[in-house]
Amino acid sequence: AQSVTQLDSQVPVFEEAPVELRCNYSSSVSVYLFWYVQYPNQGLQLLLKYLSGSTLVKGINGFEAEFNKSQTSFHLRKPSVHISDTAEYFCAVETGNQFYFGTGTSLTVIP
Amino acid sequence: NAGVMQNPRHLVRRRGQEARLRCSPMKGHSHVYWYRQLPEEGLKFMVYLQKENIIDESGMPKERFSAEFPKEGPSILRIQQVVRGDSAAYFCASSPRGGPGEQYFGPGTRLTVT
Repeated sequence: AQSVTQLDSQVPVFEEAPVELRCNYSSSVSVYLFWYVQYPNQGLQLLLKYLSGSTLVKGINGFEAEFNKSQTSFHLRKPSVHISDTAEYFCAVETGNQFYFGTGTSLTVIP
Repeated sequence: NAGVMQNPRHLVRRRGQEARLRCSPMKGHSHVYWYRQLPEEGLKFMVYLQKENIIDESGMPKERFSAEFPKEGPSILRIQQVVRGDSAAYFCASSPRGGPGEQYFGPGTRLTVT
């Protein structure tokens, strides 16, 4: 079975600083990769996804992620964070019609 | 085109009662997925349904949980004789064809068992 690892459960970062949220998965066979954001008491909002093609994927709100097949990673980055980016971020892998989610990274942006 | 709708958004049940969670997929979507998010955890797959068929229920607990997606009407996730450990957020996603990258998530139903 697929597993998704988000090594950092909490990431504090100062406003306007860059941030990287790490995600590794267990198998690169026919996987599709996603990052979702969840604000308190809300559902999941898709930030970006990788299905095929360019390994650098740009998403909403200035986020981007890079698919690295050899390292089975899909790290999320943003060059300058805002207070409004404070939320829970989930990495997910889709394979065989199932989504496998990481346990989430809580990003806190400090003014 | 309205998104995936779930109701109720919040549901409180006493131990032993039944909980019914509804999911209305996006227009034109005939595939529905249910996920459960326990506190401090990511979402975990429960069941995948197409109209009138259960395709994959490998993530469903063996007892007390059932799901259906009838020809008409919303998909229903039913939990009988709820226990405190069932308290979680339950998310539904829908897809037009079941292909990759096509799942759209609803806002979730937060179930609290007292």
